[in-house]
Formats: sequence, structure tokens, C-alpha cells
Amino acid sequence: NAGVTQTPKFRILKIGQSMTLQCAQDMNHNYMYWYRQDPGMGLKLIYYSVGAGITDKGEVPNGYNVSRSTTEDFPLRLELAAPSQTSVYFCASIFRGEQFFGPGTRLTVL
Amino acid sequence: QKEVEQNSGPLSVPEGAIASLNCTYSDRVSQSFFWYRQYSGKSPELIMSIYSNGDKEDGRFTAQLNKASQYVSLLIRDSQPSDSATYLCAVNVGGGSNYKLTFGKGTLLTVNP
Repeated sequence: NAGVTQTPKFRILKIGQSMTLQCAQDMNHNYMYWYRQDPGMGLKLIYYSVGAGITDKGEVPNGYNVSRSTTEDFPLRLELAAPSQTSVYFCASIFRGEQFFGPGTRLTVL
Repeated sequence: QKEVEQNSGPLSVPEGAIASLNCTYSDRVSQSFFWYRQYSGKSPELIMSIYSNGDKEDGRFTAQLNKASQYVSLLIRDSQPSDSATYLCAVNVGGGSNYKLTFGKGTLLTVNP
């Protein structure tokens, strides 16, 4: 199993551009999460999903959208990127009540 | 606002010493507590979970939970330079079955050889 994978690893966007951060897991986990981590801070939950077709907002959802059409994939969409969205984004899935994280995507919006 | 607070650090200990990391949380119904280790530029790695009051030991790591005081701690015995990292406390605030976690800001630990 590859665990939780994320692409891309790095990305630079211009203000107003859009992009999709990809997250996939091959462990058939139902629960998946998107977090962002700003420098010197803990992780903040953006969106989460408890299964295909079911998503819900976390603590900081503004400026983001998600979809969950399959169990494996949980993409995060940024529309109209803003400098405040410069951060490291982590995707996670649950196994036996414990969250395991992907390697992260470092996003810079200039 | 349901919060998780950690001692701000940074914390510096000599090699072989015990490192003590502390975390408090505001929501009394929280049921699940986790410690993650995060090396610079890497993703968080789960090192301990604890669900019941008392101590839980795993190798050099001991997690301690006191729900009455809303306090969870992590002790690292015989600290090694490889333990140098940021330690994140996470709480399943609200105790819900959706397993949403609230994280503290982390404590940077440096173990000096």
C-alpha cells in the first residue's frame, strides 16, 4: 500500500488563479481530511469526508471546495487564490480511529 | 471556541534526560488524545494515542491523561538527538464519531548531544 499520497509537492500560484490539490489513499478508508499548516502553527481543519459523496466543513473552509466521488480520492479545490492561502496542505485518512498524514503540498500564492 | 494549548517552548534538554511536553484542552467531552511528532519540512507522524485516564507507555514514550484536569502530557525518557522535532498535541474535540482533530500549535524540542 502506498498510504496517503498528495500531488503536487510544491506549487506557486498567482493571485486569482485556481488549482486542485490531489489526495489519494489505497487503503479503502472512509474518513479523509484536509488540513492547512501555517508557519509556527498547528494544523487547522479545512474540510473532511466520512465517505464517498459526503463532505463537511471544518474550521477554515472559506476559499476552498472539496468533492468525494470515490473512496480513494479527496481533491481540494482553490478558487481565486489569495496570499492568505499560502500554506502547507496536508491530507489525512483514518485507520482504527487514528489519523495518518500524506507528505503535504507546499503552496505559495504571489 | 474549543481550544488546545501547549507549552510554547522551545524546550531544550540534554541527551539522556527526560523531556516533558504538556497540553491542556477546553472541551470536557473530548475522548481521544494524540501526540504527533513533526520533523522540519515533513508531515506529522503519530507517536502516541490515549483514551483513558492514567499512563500509557510505548518504549521511551509515556502519555499521561487526566480528564478531570483536562490535561494530557508526553514524557520522553532517555532523550536522543533524533527526538529533536516539533510535538503536536491533538484532541478529538467534542468526542464525535467523525474523528475531527483540533491541534495545538506545537512545542519545539531540541535534544543537545
